[in-house]
Amino acid sequence: GQQVMQIPQYQHVQEGEDFTTYCNSSTTLSNIQWYKQRPGGHPVFLIQLVKSGEVKKQKRLTFQFGEAKKNSSLHITATQTTDVGTYFCAAGSSGDKLTFGTGTRLAVRP
Amino acid sequence: GAVVSQHPSWVICKSGTSVKIECRSLDFQATTMFWYRQFPKQSLMLMATSNEGSKATYEQGVEKDKFLINHASLTLSTLTVTSAHPEDSSFYICSATTGVTGELFFGEGSRLTVL
Repeated sequence: GQQVMQIPQYQHVQEGEDFTTYCNSSTTLSNIQWYKQRPGGHPVFLIQLVKSGEVKKQKRLTFQFGEAKKNSSLHITATQTTDVGTYFCAAGSSGDKLTFGTGTRLAVRP
Repeated sequence: GAVVSQHPSWVICKSGTSVKIECRSLDFQATTMFWYRQFPKQSLMLMATSNEGSKATYEQGVEKDKFLINHASLTLSTLTVTSAHPEDSSFYICSATTGVTGELFFGEGSRLTVL
């Protein structure tokens, strides 16, 4: 079946430093979504990327979809303590079914 | 955004009993809902796709007789963990899509502890 890997598994940064998580799929994707899950909470949708090479920005967050539509990245500029949580990519192949990545847990030192 | 409500948030039960978890879409109709299971510090594992008015589609390795799913209306899906055992203890989360954007809206999750 489809596998979606994320690296790193865990990252601990100083507040103000940048952070990037990478998402890689074993198959070509129709779309990719990103979610954030705070500790003890449920996943919350951040964004969806559909086009090859697409780049989208949300304030300090930059999302990119690879040219081959098999990988994606999320970059956070100047992290804040509110960015703490686990970031999941979710790969869409057909229909509404998504395969979630392994997740990257972000910790931020104030 | 759309709201999905899940109940109960926490449940503790004895081994051998059954537990029902409800997932409701509060302000939209969801023909499809998804049930996930999440172990501590791990990813979401899709258990099954719940389709309104028809049988659920289970992922490989998920026992359909163990995890009963019913999607009787466009706003409600239920997951029943039958004859629960300690290894069934986990965080169960449902999600639904409006079918417009593809975005998944998640319930708050239900933490099941089986003693």
